[in-house]
Amino acid sequence: AQKITQTQPGMFVQEKEAVTLDCTYDTSDQSYGLFWYKQPSSGEMIFLIYQGSYDEQNATEGRYSLNFQKARKSANLVISASQLGDSAMYFCAMREGGAGGTSYGKLTFGQGTILTVHP
Amino acid sequence: SQTIHQWPATLVQPVGSPLSLECTVEGTSNPNLYWYRQAAGRGLQLLFYSVGIGQISSEVPQNLSASRPQDRQFILSSKKLLLSDSGFYLCAWTRGSGANVLTFGAGSRLTVL
Repeated sequence: AQKITQTQPGMFVQEKEAVTLDCTYDTSDQSYGLFWYKQPSSGEMIFLIYQGSYDEQNATEGRYSLNFQKARKSANLVISASQLGDSAMYFCAMREGGAGGTSYGKLTFGQGTILTVHP
Repeated sequence: SQTIHQWPATLVQPVGSPLSLECTVEGTSNPNLYWYRQAAGRGLQLLFYSVGIGQISSEVPQNLSASRPQDRQFILSSKKLLLSDSGFYLCAWTRGSGANVLTFGAGSRLTVL
């Protein structure tokens, strides 16, 4: 079974509108972390936001927020007030197990969602 | 501040030729280092990771190898490239503890012809 599922191959949003990118995950670990990365056409991977499995509050970073629903195993990314520069591929990723040692960097990625922001 | 450098940025190689991609991290010591590969239009797959000089762990069987000759240097190699080795290779690092973010380099795009 897929550990990270992003069901939206592509999404379109009007500039200044909000958009939600879906992500569901599958793990039997109690301790895990969820990440969102942005990949523009240049290819670099840009970290956006992180949510730990024990964090009670949804993570927020500026215009980005992570809608964490633990029971449903979903970690959707919400981008508010979309900008043209938000057009990119977005990846959801998961780190399983405790946050120590090498597990920090051992992430499982979804297939990504291409977001296009229209003017 | 910490920075991560990868080179070359792009590479076109014939089948059967060798490969060497290099990655260095500046501004930190004893980082955990990682090589990921991204096939066209796909997510990233972890290939190798290293917790210290000379310590390499492989995540998937493949035609590639990795080495860490110095604390902040990570090298991805192949003796004979296959067509299936084409892809976008990303080096990344994290601290050994206390940080949750995996930081990536700019990537190296490899085309095997």
